[in-house]
Amino acid sequence: DTAVSQTPKYLVTQMGNDKSIKCEQNLGHDTMYWYKQDSKKFLKIMFSYNNKELIINETVPNRFSPKSPDKAHLNLHINSLELGDSAVYFCASSHLGRGQETQYFGPGTRLLVL
Amino acid sequence: DQQVKQNSPSLSVQEGRISILNCDYTNSMFDYFLWYKKYPAEGPTFLISISSIKDKNEDGRFTVFLNKSAKHLSLHIVPSQPGDSAVYFCAATEVRSNYQLIWGAGTKLIIKP
Repeated sequence: DTAVSQTPKYLVTQMGNDKSIKCEQNLGHDTMYWYKQDSKKFLKIMFSYNNKELIINETVPNRFSPKSPDKAHLNLHINSLELGDSAVYFCASSHLGRGQETQYFGPGTRLLVL
Repeated sequence: DQQVKQNSPSLSVQEGRISILNCDYTNSMFDYFLWYKKYPAEGPTFLISISSIKDKNEDGRFTVFLNKSAKHLSLHIVPSQPGDSAVYFCAATEVRSNYQLIWGAGTKLIIKP
């Protein structure tokens, strides 16, 4: 009964490949996020979806495309993977609105691009 | 431009003593602050938060203090336990940013037995 789950947990792939990371939450939240934790360990927001609508879209290469088929899912597709894409990617969810900033995180997907 | 700064990458504390983790911010519009705890190979988990209308919030062994004039907050853990060894992230948000969380770089807390 994991609250926020991500698959796969580990992903090793070659440069130039296309890959997807899936995220699902069973908390009934209306907002989901993708974060990238870089080599300096900073957590940087990439995207946020509220009720399947994009509300935050930080400066991210357009090789990254989020897709939200429904409120409980937010998948991340990455085209033409580059070495610099190697990082840990975290999915999170929350309610949107005042006092609801508490986000629940998935376990992370460790992406290594060779 | 880091709006939320955790200047200590790591902190080592004896078991049973107080752990104090610090966080500074530059954006005076931040009105809600949170601490998250992260174990290796896991996602961050929410620990405690504080609204800018308060200067202290306590939850069991964890207390967060907010000093708005200094743009500084701290997390106190008393007494420190081995299970507290983790990376602690400070985060802040404001209503204008759609409640987007701005994160510090984290402080690794090591509790020595």
